[in-house]
Amino acid sequence: KAGVTQTPRYLIKTRGQQVTLSCSPISGHRSVSWYQQTPGQGLQFLFEYFSETQRNKGNFPGRFSGRQFSNSRSEMNVSTLELGDSALYLCASSRDRGHIETQYFGPGTRLLVL
Amino acid sequence: AQSVTQLGSHVSVSEGALVLLRCNYSSSVPPYLFWYVQYPNQGLQLLLKYTSAATLVKGINGFEAEFKKSETSFHLTKPSAHMSDAAEYFCAVSDPQGGSEKLVFGKGTKLTVNP
Repeated sequence: KAGVTQTPRYLIKTRGQQVTLSCSPISGHRSVSWYQQTPGQGLQFLFEYFSETQRNKGNFPGRFSGRQFSNSRSEMNVSTLELGDSALYLCASSRDRGHIETQYFGPGTRLLVL
Repeated sequence: AQSVTQLGSHVSVSEGALVLLRCNYSSSVPPYLFWYVQYPNQGLQLLLKYTSAATLVKGINGFEAEFKKSETSFHLTKPSAHMSDAAEYFCAVSDPQGGSEKLVFGKGTKLTVNP
């Protein structure tokens, strides 16, 4: 079956703009998590969604938000972009909450903020 | 809080040599442990995972890792390196009892394989 898909794969924005990234989980997976990867900070947990509700949130400012739809697809939004938001944003899905052993990652969206 | 330490941000081996990538974790509860590989401009691919069953875990591409509770370690090994193993490797820990999908990652180890 198809893996986790993320769109777009690449994105260029300027400071102050906002951006929305999309993640479609593996069919049948209901939990979606997001991570930010930067050379300086490495891989950091952003948030986790299950049943359209945010279940866990990492230590990121309120400019970072997300949501999950009834079909388990998820979006994350970053408002008022800063240069430091340039990163690879990774989405992961797992079958159910509490089943992280079933988690798989998508290819990521690479965001460049100019 | 959980944490992961990967010793050595860069490891270089010769083709055919043993690969050993070190990972130590800190967790107040029995953890789940993972190794991921990342090739340039790609996402994370799961190599193997420990979920409290056998302590010696075999993964894809000939990799394996051993969970050693006494040493709080989960080192990744491969008997014979191949050029295609050149990539960045990440160790990660999760708290299975917390019901969360959150992974805490190490800083990564970049593996270079020399011909």
